[in-house]
Amino acid sequence: EVQLVESGGGLVRPGGSLRLACSVSGFSVSDSYMDWVRQPPGKGLEWVGRSRDKSFSNSIKYAASVQGRFTISRDDSNNLLYLEMNRLNTEDTAVYFCSSQAMTNWGQGTLVTVSS
Amino acid sequence: DIQMTQSPSSLSASVGDRVTITCRASQDINNYLAWLQQKPGEAPRSLIYAASTLHSGVPSRFSGSGSGTEFSLTITSLQPEDFATYYCHQYKTYPVTFGGGTKVEMK
Repeated sequence: EVQLVESGGGLVRPGGSLRLACSVSGFSVSDSYMDWVRQPPGKGLEWVGRSRDKSFSNSIKYAASVQGRFTISRDDSNNLLYLEMNRLNTEDTAVYFCSSQAMTNWGQGTLVTVSS
Repeated sequence: DIQMTQSPSSLSASVGDRVTITCRASQDINNYLAWLQQKPGEAPRSLIYAASTLHSGVPSRFSGSGSGTEFSLTITSLQPEDFATYYCHQYKTYPVTFGGGTKVEMK
């Protein structure tokens, strides 16, 4: 059974950093497109970025709003996906979801609140 | 970036109604279009990909159609568990972009 479980959310000051993790079971993160998608409170979905599989040289794509501040990485041996977030601002407040197989499967999300 | 415009933004319907939601892309995306369902406090659930292919386990009352720039999601006989918000998204080019959502509420 495919399962994705996010962790690492919390309260952070503007300008601060946070690292989210997505623990995966049921398939290998290295074999799948893995996405981070966020949802600000009461608003719609926003794509954050994607880690592509080895058929695309494991390349990573980002939304313009997070390019240069956020970094997606994988730990293939532990089947984990990460989202390193730096220089956070209040507009980054959202529930962050990880998703696999081109958004076929989703985790339950973790809330990141950026506030002073 | 490709803009995705959903309409309506919300609708009221009754159990048994036929409901259609439309999604328009700002440029041709072939059939690289998917639909998601999201209930309050829950993660999104994937319903349809490639504009018209149902994911495994999705009831047959859901259907998708369209190609190019105009797409639609139809629920033929609305069930109580279908009251939710629906999102389209395109995956033809990066960045992946979502429609603003359509909230289906009980009349």
